[in-house]
Amino acid sequence: GQNIDQPTEMTATEGAIVQINCTYQTSGFNGLFWYQQHAGEAPTFLSYNVLDGLEEKGRFSSFLSRSKGYSYLLLKELQMKDSASYLCAVRDSNYQLIWGAGTKLIIKP
Amino acid sequence: ETGVTQTPRHLVMGMTNKKSLKCEQHLGHNAMYWYKQSAKKPLELMFVYSLEERVENNSVPSRFSPECPNSSHLFLHLHTLQPEDSALYLCASSRQEGTGANVLTFGAGSRLTVL
Repeated sequence: GQNIDQPTEMTATEGAIVQINCTYQTSGFNGLFWYQQHAGEAPTFLSYNVLDGLEEKGRFSSFLSRSKGYSYLLLKELQMKDSASYLCAVRDSNYQLIWGAGTKLIIKP
Repeated sequence: ETGVTQTPRHLVMGMTNKKSLKCEQHLGHNAMYWYKQSAKKPLELMFVYSLEERVENNSVPSRFSPECPNSSHLFLHLHTLQPEDSALYLCASSRQEGTGANVLTFGAGSRLTVL
């Protein structure tokens, strides 16, 4: 079966750096997505990786290793507003999105 | 403003009721989706309308019935639901263009409680 694994919950301190990992086993690979979802709000797109390596976008970066079935989302200079759930999703060979259950990130002052 | 609007935001219904969820997108996208989001579970794709064709998840019970009258509007009709159907129902849209990213834009969801 197809599977996406990410930690259920993480806690970090304001101003620090946190890395949220995502591992996947899917039938083929056509890209990996990260979305952010604040409580009671819509998930919003953060990043898309289709090739190996690091994609940087401001305080957020996303890394992909296709050979290892692994990605991470790196958040720098954490702010209280970064408290949210982070969803990892992989598009398989049929272009279907397979979702992880999300990682709830709690930022403490 | 996300560009995808869902109504109502909250809905409480009994098991014998009939209700509908509405979704509207103003982004010019050509695909629309219904997802179910339950606590601590992955998003579950229920229905997709892509290029005016419907693609279903065969595990979705028939008490959920989608309707897509045009590329901007999507409905989810609810009939004789069960308490386990209580969840957040998310609508999303995307511009499907071959093998591109096809990023989803989500609405804020309709929180459904079935008593």
